[in-house]
Formats: sequence, structure tokens, C-alpha cells
Amino acid sequence: KNQVEQSPQSLIILEGKNCTLQCNYTVSPFSNLRWYKQDTGRGPVSLTIMTFSENTKSNGRYTATLDADTKQSSLHITASQLSDSASYICVVRNSGSARQLTFGSGTQLTVLP
Amino acid sequence: DTEVTQTPKHLVMGMTNKKSLKCEQHMGHRAMYWYKQKAKKPPELMFVYSYEKLSINESVPSRFSPECPNSSLLNLHLHALQPEDSALYLCASRTLSGSTDTQYFGPGTRLTVL
Repeated sequence: KNQVEQSPQSLIILEGKNCTLQCNYTVSPFSNLRWYKQDTGRGPVSLTIMTFSENTKSNGRYTATLDADTKQSSLHITASQLSDSASYICVVRNSGSARQLTFGSGTQLTVLP
Repeated sequence: DTEVTQTPKHLVMGMTNKKSLKCEQHMGHRAMYWYKQKAKKPPELMFVYSYEKLSINESVPSRFSPECPNSSLLNLHLHALQPEDSALYLCASRTLSGSTDTQYFGPGTRLTVL
């Protein structure tokens, strides 16, 4: 069964600090992995997308890594800001099936001043 | 225009009411989706439309009825809902041409069933 597990479930950090969120998946066959940011009561917004051959990708203060061998990904946030407070969802796409996206349960990040 | 819009933002309805949620995009995307999201849970896929035809129904109860009148619009008709149907309903769209498979999400409709 395709699964995406994220850790930690929630995280509280101080403004300006760095943090790393984890995503483990068992989706197969793998197509790509995406990190979304979802503000409370809003729709998810795509931050990064990574395919099998990509190890790391950055989008401003967000850096995602992918280890396709161990089926793990991380999202590193540098110099956090209050506006980073949101849920971060890892979504893995598998190829060869119409039901293609498997969502993780998300990590709820709170950045305090 | 890279936006998916949804109306209304909030909806409160009784169990005997009939209401509709609307979703619109003008990005030329030919795949559109309805998701249901409960608090602190990931979105759950409900329906997928490809080229204005229903391609996936994830065993959703018949009190939810989707409709895709044209390539820019997606509706979700609601009738005889239950309190447990209260959730954030998200619409998304993506292109079916080119190499990207990014789904663009709307802001959602917060539905409360009394």
C-alpha cells in the first residue's frame, strides 16, 4: 500500500532559527515528490518538486532533499519567519496509475517571535 | 492568470438544504479535482475530471454530485449532507499537456453542516 509518513507531527521554533522536516514514503513506482505549504484555511501551494534523479532543490529559504534509495525526503527551512507558520505536506506521485497522489499528514510548523 | 478561485469561502447549511460549491480557473487546465480535507488531516481525493468528463469517483456518497459544465468551471452540488461532511473542500486543476503535473489548489470552501 502506498504510504507517506511525515515527522514531526508538529514543531515550534523561534523566528530566525532553522528547522528540518522529514518525509518517508513507500510509493511505488515512484514518479516525483512535492512539498506543499498550506496556510490555515487555505489551499496548498507547491514549494518544490523533485524527480528520481534529483538530490536537492532550493526555493528561496526552502531546500528539499531526496534520497530515492532510502525513500526519504527532507525540507529544510532557513532563517524562519513568522509567515512560515503553516502545515507542510509531502506528496508523492506514482506512475502507472490514475490515482496518482499520496499525501502525507503534514507537519504543523509554528514560528514564534 | 495562475489562480484557482472558489466560492463561497464559507458555507453553513442544514441537513435538508441544497447548495453548490463553485470552482473556476482560466489557466487552460483540462484536469480538475475536488478534495475534502478535515482538520489536521491531508486532503482526500473525491473526484477527478479530465477533458470535462468524470474520470475518477473515489466512492463518494451520492449526496455529493460533481458537474463540469465547461473547461473552466467545476461545481459540487450538495444535498442532504450530514454533520460529518463538515470540512474544507478544495478544488485543484492541472494541465494535461506538457511535462509538469503540478496541481494548483484554490483557497477552499469551509463547509459547516448543522
